[in-house]
Amino acid sequence: GAGVSQSPSNKVTEKGKDVELRCDPISGHTALYWYRQSLGQGLEFLIYFQGNSAPDKSGLPSDRFSAERTGGSVSTLTIQRTQQEDSAVYLCASSLAGGITQYFGPGTRLTVL
Amino acid sequence: GIQVEQSPPDLILQEGANSTLRCNFSDSVNNLQWFHQNPWGQLINLFYIPSGTKQNGRLSATTVATERYSLLYISSSQTTDSGVYFCAVLTGANSKLTFGKGITLSVRP
Repeated sequence: GAGVSQSPSNKVTEKGKDVELRCDPISGHTALYWYRQSLGQGLEFLIYFQGNSAPDKSGLPSDRFSAERTGGSVSTLTIQRTQQEDSAVYLCASSLAGGITQYFGPGTRLTVL
Repeated sequence: GIQVEQSPPDLILQEGANSTLRCNFSDSVNNLQWFHQNPWGQLINLFYIPSGTKQNGRLSATTVATERYSLLYISSSQTTDSGVYFCAVLTGANSKLTFGKGITLSVRP
């Protein structure tokens, strides 16, 4: 079946604007993850959703970052008042359950001018 | 938290050569995955290998969990093998993957 999809593939925004990034996980996968890849920090965990449980938000770098997962499927990562240091590739992954093989989407490249 | 170290950081091979990529980790793990990030940035699953040995075509991987390392073997390398190889581990009840810094592989024709 289809893999993890993300949109948009590229996003350029001005400092201070809000952005929304979307992730469609693989159908039937109950676990969904957001990671960020930047030059200085490598690949970092942001947030994890598992079924109807409260999300693990321990990786979110500031309160400007938030994420939702509606209906146990699609997820949206929102960054408010973007800063230049938010520029990175934001990657979404999903898995059948927590703790097993994670499959990654193609990412959204965010550039904050 | 757990530390994941990969070596060597960079590797240049002539097409047809074999190579071994190493991943060391500082604590017990429940899950270990190897990924290949292609030049377009896509992370491609290679192996899910918390322990033991697996093979897939020209690639194989071995994880020795008791000694806290994993090895990825690439045989008869091809130019399409170029890219960055990441090792990532998962520990305890936390389902997040902790990634190494990656190994950049360049295969020359």
